[in-house]
Amino acid sequence: ENVLTQSPGTLSLSPGERATLSCRASQRISSNYLAWYQQKPGQAPRLLIYGASSRATGIPDRFSGSGSGTDFTLTISRLEPEDFAVYYCQQYGSSSWTFGQGTKVEIK
Amino acid sequence: QVLLHQSGPGLVKPSQTLSLTCVISGDSVSSNSAAWNWIRQSPSRGLEWLGRTYYRSKWYDGYAVSVEGRITINPDTSKNQFSLHLNSVTPEDTAVYYCARGGYTSAFSFDSWGQGTLVTVSS
Repeated sequence: ENVLTQSPGTLSLSPGERATLSCRASQRISSNYLAWYQQKPGQAPRLLIYGASSRATGIPDRFSGSGSGTDFTLTISRLEPEDFAVYYCQQYGSSSWTFGQGTKVEIK
Repeated sequence: QVLLHQSGPGLVKPSQTLSLTCVISGDSVSSNSAAWNWIRQSPSRGLEWLGRTYYRSKWYDGYAVSVEGRITINPDTSKNQFSLHLNSVTPEDTAVYYCARGGYTSAFSFDSWGQGTLVTVSS
């Protein structure tokens, strides 16, 4: 199983700051197979980025994804109040999907 | 815009079968582009993909190794919905269960989710 490790566990930032979230895979992933989600308390996850760098419909351009191989990054260029949430990476491989454990972005 | 609405009991006894239904609006369970998934989330296991059903001239399904042998996901074309059945449940199966669509935005991600159902396994 390809294990996804996200870091840091918690990121404490202020509105307007830049957030950089990391997702590292234990085995190489095709970029097509890497996605990022945002989840707020009591809500389902929401797709932000697919194919490592493509924004899903309706996602603001302050969200961007990058990376290849085993190292992927989600960047939020300037944090808005509604961006404080938990973020998950997800990969596809061997006919199944796995998720990272999440990074919580909290207000400093 | 696709909407997914889940229903089913919130409490299941150990050794019994957990059954949930996901009604689809704005898309078809028989779509040749989409796949219909169940995913669960618990504090101990995080987000865990359980399985999917999809139609590509005939019906296919696929399940996670962790639940294979206990799980069935069935489409119901007459009601445009799909269901999850997980048998022989234990307290380890306590989680929030989500249905989700895959395959439209990307074949490898989930672009629409149900509202989630907390299922507790307890006597």
